[in-house]
Amino acid sequence: DIQMTQSPSSLSASVGDRVTITCRASQGISNYLVWYQQKPGKVPKLLIYAASTLQSGVPSRFSGSGSGTDFTLTISSLQPEDGATYYCQKYNSAPWTFGQGTKVEIK
Amino acid sequence: EVQLVESGGGLVQPGGSLRLSCAASGFTFSDYWMNWVRQAPGKGLDWVANINKDGSEKYYVDSVKGRFTISRDNSKNSLYLQMNSLRAEDTAVYYCVRGWGYLDYWGQGTLVTVSS
Repeated sequence: DIQMTQSPSSLSASVGDRVTITCRASQGISNYLVWYQQKPGKVPKLLIYAASTLQSGVPSRFSGSGSGTDFTLTISSLQPEDGATYYCQKYNSAPWTFGQGTKVEIK
Repeated sequence: EVQLVESGGGLVQPGGSLRLSCAASGFTFSDYWMNWVRQAPGKGLDWVANINKDGSEKYYVDSVKGRFTISRDNSKNSLYLQMNSLRAEDTAVYYCVRGWGYLDYWGQGTLVTVSS
């Protein structure tokens, strides 16, 4: 099965910073990649699908890029409400594996 | 408004069984693939299984194959997960989730605890 590896596992950044999270697939998955945000005690929220398509209602400071094996989630200007854990997930074929998550802390 | 409400979780001994249910409303249930995703306490997300619109296709993560069975009843707008031969490592919150590929609506989850 294809493994999804996120880096870093955690990061701490200040409001206004540009933040980048990486997700790497162990085999090519074209653009079948999703990003979610999960705040403590809440269910995951869909941010981006098809690697770069922003879900309706998601702020434009979030963007995604990549294809094949390497993908990035970028927050262009970190806001206080962006403190959360972010997960990537592949869906080219079953099983739909998630990355291990990246915890973003606001300094 | 889309709503997904899980039920059926609880405490079960290793080797035991549980059946989770998910009641869907606010959308045409039969038009969507459905999923179960779990999250162990303090851990990440773990996709468990999914089922196509009419129930004719089902897929599972390797760790539950042969033990868990996903099913649906479109006449009742309901999704199910029959879990047999439960293990301690199955302890998690189980979420009912809508979607093929990207998962756009999540229930609040039901906690399954496997312990003696």
